Amino acid sequence: AQSVTQLGSHVSVSEGALVLLRCNYSSSVPPYLFWYVQYPNQGLQLLLKYTTGATLVKGINGFEAEFKKSETSFHLTKPSAHMSDAAEYFCAVSDGFGNEKLTFGTGTRLTIIP
Amino acid sequence: DAMVIQNPRYQVTQFGKPVTLSCSQTLNHNVMYWYQQKSSQAPKLLFHYYDKDFNNEADTPDNFQSRRPNTSFCFLDIRSPGLGDAAMYLCATSRKGGNEKLFFGSGTQLSVL
Repeated sequence: AQSVTQLGSHVSVSEGALVLLRCNYSSSVPPYLFWYVQYPNQGLQLLLKYTTGATLVKGINGFEAEFKKSETSFHLTKPSAHMSDAAEYFCAVSDGFGNEKLTFGTGTRLTIIP
Repeated sequence: DAMVIQNPRYQVTQFGKPVTLSCSQTLNHNVMYWYQQKSSQAPKLLFHYYDKDFNNEADTPDNFQSRRPNTSFCFLDIRSPGLGDAAMYLCATSRKGGNEKLFFGSGTQLSVL
C-alpha cells in the first residue's frame, strides 16, 4: 500500500521568499511522484512529476521538486513566491506499474503575504 | 478549450433524492476517474474506468454507482444521498493511467439539504 504525508496543512510565506512544501511518501515499489495545484473553485492541475531518471524535476510556474529515495521525500520548492502562487498543493504517489490510481496527500494551503 | 467538462458546477439535492453528476472529455483518453473531495481533505478515488472496464475502490459505498456509455462521457449516480455525501466531486482522465498525467475537470460541488 502507498501513502503520502504532507507536513503542514497551512504554509505562509512573504512575496519573494522561498517556498518549501514538504512531502514524504511510503511505497513498497519504486514510486512515481506528482505535485498538483488546486486554485479556488477549480480542479487539480499537474505541476510536475517524477517517474525515472533525473531526481530534480522542474515544473510549471518556476516550481521544482527533488526525489530523495534515502529520505523518502519529494519536497516542492520555488525560489521566489508570487501572489499568484496562493493555492492548495497536493502531493501524490502511484506505483508506476500501470496502476491507474493516484494516492493523494491531504494538501497544503499556501498563503502569500504581500 | 475545455478538455474535461463537468456539469453542473453546483448541484443541490435533498436527503435521499437520487442525483446524477456528469463528466465529458474531448481528449479521447482511455481512463476516466471519479474522486470525492471533502473540505480540507485529499481527493479520494471512488472508481475508475479503463475503457469499459469498471474498477470500484473497496471502500466506495454501494450508494455510489457509475456509468460510462462511451469514451467521452462518464456519470456518477448517487442513489440516496446523505448529509455526509456533500463534497466536491472531481472527474479526471488520463491516456492510460498510472504514471500518466491526470486532467481534471473543475468539479461539481454537491450540497445535500
